[in-house]
Amino acid sequence: DQQVKQNSPSLSVQEGRISILNCDYTNSMFDYFLWYKKYPAEGPTFLISISSIKDKNEDGRFTVFLNKSAKHLSLHIVPSQPGDSAVYFCAATPKGGANNLFFGTGTRLTVIP
Amino acid sequence: ETGVTQSPTHLIKTRGQQVTLRCSSQSGHNTVSWYQQALGQGPQFIFQYYREEENGRGNFPPRFSGLQFPNYSSELNVNALELDDSALYLCASSLGWRKATDTQYFGPGTRLTVL
Repeated sequence: DQQVKQNSPSLSVQEGRISILNCDYTNSMFDYFLWYKKYPAEGPTFLISISSIKDKNEDGRFTVFLNKSAKHLSLHIVPSQPGDSAVYFCAATPKGGANNLFFGTGTRLTVIP
Repeated sequence: ETGVTQSPTHLIKTRGQQVTLRCSSQSGHNTVSWYQQALGQGPQFIFQYYREEENGRGNFPPRFSGLQFPNYSSELNVNALELDDSALYLCASSLGWRKATDTQYFGPGTRLTVL
């Protein structure tokens, strides 16, 4: 049973425009959410996170939004750059203090120069 | 500071065999987690070790086992391999495990193919 879902397997965006990647979750016990980026032949790299007590967290070109009532989060990348082309995974951790991650299936972002 | 490394990069085994995958954590990281990523899926949590003891386990059978050593290295062992065990196996290290903010740093993975 997939508790974290990324329903768009792929997304293509023009360089300089905004990329919006979406993620939904079903488990109300999740209270910390993360985005990881993965290049081919490399492991996932932590990008940005958000606690359930916030609705927005920003780090440079990357902003994550959390809508708890809808159990939905999104990652905005502005402006998108060709180097952002990668697979993006949404992940969540449950309440209780553990840091084991529940991942979505990933969205492949392609930024077209 | 060195990153997380894994060996081997690729491995081919036949059904019923046993396999050992290795991981070297970042220095000072007492926690190591292992994940299985099947083709087209996100990584799935297998188990976690903290200071050489299993600290948590996902929905994987007992034929998946692990070891963690004092020198920040660890192993994932899989017995009686099945075709569905074919996947990318990722290890991740972190300073601790008690806080969600304990960021996990991933290695590049070992690609296991079971024929």
